[in-house]
Amino acid sequence: SQKIEQNSEALNIQEGKTATLTCNYTNYSPAYLQWYRQDPGRGPVFLLLIRENEKEKRKERLKVTFDTTLKQSLFHITASQPADSATYLCALASGGSYIPTFGRGTSLIVHP
Amino acid sequence: EAQVTQNPRYLITVTGKKLTVTCSQNMNHEYMSWYRQDPGLGLRQIYYSMNVEVTDKGDVPEGYKVSRKEKRNFPLILESPSPNQTSLYFCASKHTSAASYNEQFFGPGTRLTVL
Repeated sequence: SQKIEQNSEALNIQEGKTATLTCNYTNYSPAYLQWYRQDPGRGPVFLLLIRENEKEKRKERLKVTFDTTLKQSLFHITASQPADSATYLCALASGGSYIPTFGRGTSLIVHP
Repeated sequence: EAQVTQNPRYLITVTGKKLTVTCSQNMNHEYMSWYRQDPGLGLRQIYYSMNVEVTDKGDVPEGYKVSRKEKRNFPLILESPSPNQTSLYFCASKHTSAASYNEQFFGPGTRLTVL
């Protein structure tokens, strides 16, 4: 069966360090992968999209990589700040599908 | 301002009392969807709609109904709510253009408690 796995344990890091979050998937041939940020009690907010034929995407302090051989995406936040503390969700959709499936998310806590 | 709105934001009700959660978007999106989010289970899709008068079941449709009579609105109906439907609900919308794999825009959430 199709599965999207994100680390269920919270990631704790110190301010200024790079945070790296992982999204692994099985039994998918994703056409694209998205990352969202979710604050407690609020709706997810889109951050970045990466397509199957792209290796890396950047946006300000954010970087996403997509390795379809390893079936993995890494999400990096450089120079992390306490304001980056949130839950980060990855979402995948197969080719021709408009409907992404979400992982359960990983909580990031950036300590001052 | 482009947005997805949901009402009510908070609702406490009792078992069996029919309720409707409204969702509206002002971005002319074709696709709309309802999710529920529970601790440890993540976002699970309840129903979605690709366009007006077109709806389909998601992963957890039991106990819910939807309708899409207008493009901007996608209400979620619980005909006979039960305590296991206590959850945080999100409505979302997006364009269905395949060229850009558009992001979903989420509403602020509705926290429902069924006693």
